[in-house]
This record gives sequence, C-alpha cells and structure tokens, in this order.
Amino acid sequence: AQKVTQAQTEISVVEKEDVTLDCVYETRDTTYYLFWYKQPPSGELVFLIRRNSFDEQNEISGRYSWNFQKSTSSFNFTITASQVVDSAVYFCALSEFSSGGGADGLTFGKGTHLIIQP
Amino acid sequence: KAGVTQTPRYLIKTRGQQVTLSCSPISGHRSVSWYQQTPGQGLQFLFEYFSETQRNKGNFPGRFSGRQFSNSRSEMNVSTLELGDSALYLCASSTGPFYNGYTFGSGTRLTVV
Repeated sequence: AQKVTQAQTEISVVEKEDVTLDCVYETRDTTYYLFWYKQPPSGELVFLIRRNSFDEQNEISGRYSWNFQKSTSSFNFTITASQVVDSAVYFCALSEFSSGGGADGLTFGKGTHLIIQP
Repeated sequence: KAGVTQTPRYLIKTRGQQVTLSCSPISGHRSVSWYQQTPGQGLQFLFEYFSETQRNKGNFPGRFSGRQFSNSRSEMNVSTLELGDSALYLCASSTGPFYNGYTFGSGTRLTVV
C-alpha cells in the first residue's frame, strides 16, 4: 500500500530564510503521481505542483522549487527567501495508477505547518 | 471562472442524525472526489465519481455514501452520525481521472455533538 511521510510536523523560520519541506513516499507501482498542496487557514487546498513518476526533472517556479529523487523516494519542496504569506500547512500527496484506468485517490502525508516570522 | 463550491460551509448535527453535503465542481469538470480531514487521521480519501459512476472508494464504513448527478454536481451522505465524524470534508474536481490536477473547494466543517 502507498504511504507518504512528512517527518517535519512544524517548521518556524524568520522571513527571507530558505526552507525545505521533506516528503518521502512508498509505493509498489512504477507509475504514480506526486503532488504538493498548500492549505492556508481558510481550509482550501491550493495545488502547487504535480509530477509523474517518469519525470525526474527538478522544477522551479519563482521562489518555489521541487527536488524529485526516485532513488531515495523523496519529493522535497524548497521555498527560497520565505515570506510571511508562505505561512500555511503544506501537504505532499501520492496517487498510484489504478488498475481500472486513471488514477486512484490521493494519499496525503500528515502535513508540515510552516510558520514564517516577520 | 468559478471554483469548486461546497455547501454548507458549517454544519452542526446531533449524534445519530444523518447529513448531506453538496459539491458543485468547476464547469466542465466531470470528476469529483471527497476527502475527510481530521486532526488525528489527517486527510483521507473517501470516494471519487466520474460521469455519475463511483470509480474509487477509500476505506470508510458504509455509513458514508455519495452520488453524482448528470450535471457533475455531487453529494455525500453520512448516516447515523458519530462524534468521530466531526471533520472538514473537502471536495475536489478534475476534468477526468487522468490527472490534469485536482482543484479543491473550501470544505464543509461538520461538527457532531
């Protein structure tokens, strides 16, 4: 069965520091998808990135970057020059490819509460 | 473009009652998924509907059920409510099951007393 582990329950940094959120996953499938979502206090999950298992290229989007390494089953997320508005709970999620076609539901990690202090 | 709309936003029910939550997906999205979020268990997948058919189901008791209508709107129902059903229920929509990305609604916060 699939599993996602976010070992960091809470991280607190001062504004402008760089911060990395760790995500380790377990799956038996060779075809799967990885996601990161942000959940602000309003509760809505905001989609940040999706990666499929065949695409190991790292990605950068503004201050956000993601490091996908299949060899260590990790999909880490780095925020450069953090800002107070980055404060939220961040979730890493995994979905395997369903035998019936399409993808299965998302398996989420427990989340990392990121606090950016001014 | 309107996002995923969930109603109601807040709900208080008594143990033993039943409840129905509603989700209107983004226009053109045919896949709707439901998730339960609690402090103890985190985010857990309930079920997914695509073109009015349940495509996947998580590990929840039969008290949790759902359906999808021809206009892609979805409802989930919880019967015989228990205190442990208190949670934030999130709905997500997608164009289909092949991962163009899920868009989540703001959720319905259910409190069972």
